[in-house]
Amino acid sequence: DQQVKQNSPSLSVQEGRISILNCDYTNSMFDYFLWYKKYPAEGPTFLISISSIKDKNEDGRFTVFLNKSAKHLSLHIVPSQPGDSAVYFCAASSMYSGGGADGLTFGKGTHLIIQP
Amino acid sequence: DGGITQSPKYLFRKEGQNVTLSCEQNLNHDAMYWYRQDPGQGLRLIYYSQIVNDFQKGDIAEGYSVSREKKESFPLTVTSAQKNPTAFYLCASSIRPAGELFFGEGSRLTVL
Repeated sequence: DQQVKQNSPSLSVQEGRISILNCDYTNSMFDYFLWYKKYPAEGPTFLISISSIKDKNEDGRFTVFLNKSAKHLSLHIVPSQPGDSAVYFCAASSMYSGGGADGLTFGKGTHLIIQP
Repeated sequence: DGGITQSPKYLFRKEGQNVTLSCEQNLNHDAMYWYRQDPGQGLRLIYYSQIVNDFQKGDIAEGYSVSREKKESFPLTVTSAQKNPTAFYLCASSIRPAGELFFGEGSRLTVL
């Protein structure tokens, strides 16, 4: 049973436009959400996170939005650049409520392709 | 520089052989994890350890074994019992359970 779902395996966006990556979760105990970026044959790198007490967190070109009632979060990248082409993983845990000793639960990833 | 080092980056082995992947961190993190990545499958947890001399099975532990004799080291052995061992293996650590993970560069294992 997948607790974190990324329903779009791939997404193609034109350079300079906005990229929106979506993620849904089912576990209501999750209170900490993260996005990771991964290039082929490399380890994932942390991008941005948000706790459940917030609904938005911004860091440069990256903004994460959290809708707790819908159990949905999204990552916005504005403007999209060629170097943003990578696989993006959504992850979640129940860190603040003391759970999640087994770390983060990951979605299957979305392959973002930035077209010139 | 602090970080996580995985070795080797690429490894080829014959079917039926055990293989050990190394993971060393100098971040002074208590928690360490092993994930496996397959195309279209995301990251799946194999084993994790919250403290030295203690470790727990993750979602796909069958055919794998680990040890945690030192805080800095968390090696993963892929045994001959693992039915489909060809994959990309990722080691990670975190300051606290369920917190942000720091990943190594990964090890690509191919079983011929």
